Amino acid sequence: QQQVKQSPQSLIVQKGGISIINCAYENTAFDYFPWYQQFPGKGPALLIAIRPDVSEKKEGRFTISFNKSAKQFSLHIMDSQPGDSATYFCAASHYYNTDKLIFGTGTRLQVFP
Amino acid sequence: EAQVTQNPRYLITVTGKKLTVTCSQNMNHEYMSWYRQDPGLGLRQIYYSMNVEVTDKGDVPEGYKVSRKEKRNFPLILESPSPNQTSLYFCASSPNPGHYGYTFGSGTRLTVV
Repeated sequence: QQQVKQSPQSLIVQKGGISIINCAYENTAFDYFPWYQQFPGKGPALLIAIRPDVSEKKEGRFTISFNKSAKQFSLHIMDSQPGDSATYFCAASHYYNTDKLIFGTGTRLQVFP
Repeated sequence: EAQVTQNPRYLITVTGKKLTVTCSQNMNHEYMSWYRQDPGLGLRQIYYSMNVEVTDKGDVPEGYKVSRKEKRNFPLILESPSPNQTSLYFCASSPNPGHYGYTFGSGTRLTVV
């Protein structure tokens, strides 16, 4: 059972466009929602994270939008660049079991010039 | 440089031959974890550790063992590897995953024939 559902599986965007990746969850006990970026041959690296007490968090060109009532959160990459081409993973953890970080299945993003 | 170091990076072995993948972190983190990454399945947690001598099962612990005798080291042991354990393995560490996420190593690609 996938506790964090991620879509799309792959995404192709033109340089300068907006990339949007979506995640949905069922468990209302989740209270920490990070996004990871993984380049080929490397481990995932923390990109940006949000808690459910805010609806949006922005860091440079990367924005997380959070909809608590719909139990959904999304990553928006503005002005997408070829260097953003990577696999992106959403994740979530419970407030009472912070050891376990549960990942989505990943989205492979390709940004073409 | 703060990092999580895994060895080896690549390993090909035969069914049933015991192996150990080492993991070491130099950030004095309490939490350490092992994940496996498989296409279409994302990252799945194998085992995690909250501190020295404290470990617990993740979502896919079958066929794996871990130990945490020192804070910096968290080896993953496959006592009798099988072909379904062919995967990309990541070690990760964190001061608190629910607040800071995990820092990942560069991965170990294991093939069991």
